[in-house]
Amino acid sequence: GQNIDQPTEMTATEGAIVQINCTYQTSGFNGLFWYQQHAGEAPTFLSYNVLDGLEEKGRFSSFLSRSKGYSYLLLKELQMKDSASYLCAVRDSNYQLIWGAGTKLIIKP
Amino acid sequence: ETGVTQTPRHLVMGMTNKKSLKCEQHLGHNAMYWYKQSAKKPLELMFVYSLEERVENNSVPSRFSPECPNSSHLFLHLHTLQPEDSALYLCASSQEWGTGGNEQFFGPGTRLTVL
Repeated sequence: GQNIDQPTEMTATEGAIVQINCTYQTSGFNGLFWYQQHAGEAPTFLSYNVLDGLEEKGRFSSFLSRSKGYSYLLLKELQMKDSASYLCAVRDSNYQLIWGAGTKLIIKP
Repeated sequence: ETGVTQTPRHLVMGMTNKKSLKCEQHLGHNAMYWYKQSAKKPLELMFVYSLEERVENNSVPSRFSPECPNSSHLFLHLHTLQPEDSALYLCASSQEWGTGGNEQFFGPGTRLTVL
């Protein structure tokens, strides 16, 4: 079956750096997405990786290793507003998005 | 105007009721999606429409019936639901279906409670 694994919850301190990992086993691969979802709100797109390596967007970076079935989202200079759930999703060979259950990130002052 | 809108935002219904969820996208996208989001579970794709044609139906019970009258509007008709259908129902759209880098834009969701 298809599977996306990410930690259920993580805690970090304001101003610090946190890395959220995602491992996947899917039937085919056509890209990996990271979304942010604040409580009670819609998921919003953060990043897309289809080739191996690091994609940087301001304070957020996303890394992909297709051979290892692995990605991480790196958040730098954490702010209180970064408290949210972070969803990893992989597009499979049928172009369907397979979603992880999300990682709830708690930022403490 | 907000990219993807959904109404109602909250809905409480009995198991014998019939109701409909509405989604509208103002982004000029060609693909629209219905997802179910339950607490601490992955998003479950329910239906996909591309250019008003259904392209995916992921083994969803027949008590959920989608309708896509045009590329901007998507409905989810509900009847004789079960308590386990209580969840957040999210609508999303993307430029196209079936291409790699299309991100999906989500609406705020309808919080459904079935009594």
